[in-house]
Amino acid sequence: EPEVTQTPSHQVTQMGQEVILRCVPISNHLYFYWYRQILGQKVEFLVSFYNNEISEKSEIFDDQFSVERPDGSNFTLKIRSTKLEDSAMYFCASRPTGEKNTEAFFGQGTRLTVV
Amino acid sequence: AQKVTQAQTEISVVEKEDVTLDCVYETRDTTYYLFWYKQPPSGELVFLIRRNSFDEQNEISGRYSWNFQKSTSSFNFTITASQVVDSAVYFCALSEAGRDDKIIFGKGTRLHILP
Repeated sequence: EPEVTQTPSHQVTQMGQEVILRCVPISNHLYFYWYRQILGQKVEFLVSFYNNEISEKSEIFDDQFSVERPDGSNFTLKIRSTKLEDSAMYFCASRPTGEKNTEAFFGQGTRLTVV
Repeated sequence: AQKVTQAQTEISVVEKEDVTLDCVYETRDTTYYLFWYKQPPSGELVFLIRRNSFDEQNEISGRYSWNFQKSTSSFNFTITASQVVDSAVYFCALSEAGRDDKIIFGKGTRLHILP
């Protein structure tokens, strides 16, 4: 069964460093998302991406964040100058086009720890 | 604006008991979609069900059942004859029919099934 793949599963980084979280969405999907879950809290929407551009972003997704689809298969989230409060689980999701609001398929998540 | 409220932060029941997780949502759209996701201790998000706003039929899948009541804006989830493996955090979520179809999650209910 096709699945969304995220790498790495766990990343530890020093405060102030840049990190890139990687996602490989399901191959025929066209809508991509990043979500964040701070430990013990709810899953929060960060950004949606369609047709090679950001279609919506939340207030969390400020200039520190950027997304890219560099090669037609990967979908990356870059966090510049990481802060302690960026420590969280980051989930990538993808959805096929066609029927609206089909199930979004989530990756296993990347746990980011900023020290 | 869309909002999902899961009033029960944490529930503990003894194995084999039935348990209902409450979910109340707010939306201005007439077309929307409701979801339940399970997050086991391993951290991934497991899709359980999607329901569109035009389909108020209740659904049963094995020991799981869902009660969608548009009149009270509720989408409750019942586990019958609970098992220890059902222990997890359960998230109710809402997506409005729109260009981005982002999913907005509730804060989750942590369910403990005691042996």
